[in-house]
Amino acid sequence: DAKTTQPTSMDCAEGRAANLPCNHSTISGNEYVYWYRQIHSQGPQYIIHGLKNNETNEMASLIITEDRKSSTLILPHATLRDTAVYYCIVRVANFGNEKLTFGTGTRLTIIP
Amino acid sequence: DTEVTQTPKHLVMGMTNKKSLKCEQHMGHRAMYWYKQKAKKPPELMFVYSYEKLSINESVPSRFSPECPNSSLLNLHLHALQPEDSALYLCASRGTLKNTEAFFGQGTRLTVV
Repeated sequence: DAKTTQPTSMDCAEGRAANLPCNHSTISGNEYVYWYRQIHSQGPQYIIHGLKNNETNEMASLIITEDRKSSTLILPHATLRDTAVYYCIVRVANFGNEKLTFGTGTRLTIIP
Repeated sequence: DTEVTQTPKHLVMGMTNKKSLKCEQHMGHRAMYWYKQKAKKPPELMFVYSYEKLSINESVPSRFSPECPNSSLLNLHLHALQPEDSALYLCASRGTLKNTEAFFGQGTRLTVV
């Protein structure tokens, strides 16, 4: 799986959009970008994933650059409950002997 | 049902004890994972089971012994652990369809004394 680079920490004001960047310059053509978050002492929670098109669901939006070397997770209206560690992961989509390997993640703090 | 259930939630064990962690899912997922997470660190992959067979062992010490008795259940047997093995142990599962996401349990907080 490709390596990812994320800022160690970020702050965002409550109600504002939180934009979390991720660099994955060595991503392969068949690797997807996944985002998970982990609220303190809980299991990681899936947020969103994409291959090359921008994606949106009820939790967030994912913007992937045209060269696929970086992406941004957008939480449109951050709330205090969005305070968590956010992990960007790239991996192949096939089933079987694949690893889901976490990087160091970004600790996002939402400020009241 | 999109839950991965881990039991127990907390476990304290001595270094000579034998204990087991249990993970259960009823989503029909055929890939299951064990992770270990130390405080303020990302989860580290330990084992991957695919169709009830061990497909990946990330060079985990033999005092950790995984078992997948059926497609819904994953166990992690613990024996002769060390205090440094104290951590949050997470289980995850994933379906067989292409690019599906993994679902994680809430973890077992293990303390070795």
